[in-house]
Amino acid sequence: TQLLEQSPQFLSIQEGENLTVYCNSSSVFSSLQWYRQEPGEGPVLLVTVVTGGEVKKLKRLTFQFGDARKDSSLHITAAQPGDTGLYLCAGARGSQGNLIFGKGTKLSVKP
Amino acid sequence: NAGVTQTPKFRILKIGQSMTLQCAQDMNHNYMYWYRQDPGMGLKLIYYSVGAGITDKGEVPNGYNVSRSTTEDFPLRLELAAPSQTSVYFCASSYSRPTNTGELFFGEGSRLTVL
Repeated sequence: TQLLEQSPQFLSIQEGENLTVYCNSSSVFSSLQWYRQEPGEGPVLLVTVVTGGEVKKLKRLTFQFGDARKDSSLHITAAQPGDTGLYLCAGARGSQGNLIFGKGTKLSVKP
Repeated sequence: NAGVTQTPKFRILKIGQSMTLQCAQDMNHNYMYWYRQDPGMGLKLIYYSVGAGITDKGEVPNGYNVSRSTTEDFPLRLELAAPSQTSVYFCASSYSRPTNTGELFFGEGSRLTVL
């Protein structure tokens, strides 16, 4: 069973469109992180959300942590080809607090 | 800035062979991790370490071993390689635990194929 479900799995859009990616779970997380991974490279942290209901903005990217700290969303406004990549959400839980990753959303933004 | 360095980047192994994936970080991070990434499956934690001399199992430790003799190095050993170990392996480090909002810094990955 996958603890963190991401949707959609694949997304192909045109430059300028808006999109939302979801990360859902039945478990509560102490914090949730979003990473972006480009081909042949390791994931790079975009943001960490900690408080239920928290909203963080990073230029055209808006991240939200659900009130119950079980889910999160990533909204991209006016997507650009440079946004292309694999978006991974990861939740921290357990006594050691290790990150559990979702399967990712593969985004392709066409010019 | 080197960050997290992994070697080798690519390797092909025959079934039953053994090898070690090397990982070194120069950020003086106490926490280090090994993940594997299979197509469409996200990242799965193999082993982690909270400091020199301390290691512990993650979600998928079978078939692997690790050691942490120094803060900088965290090698991953594959004994008796099997086709199921074909994957991309990522080493990562962090200053603090993810529950304390610790950011993971990843290496570029090591792509391993077992034939």
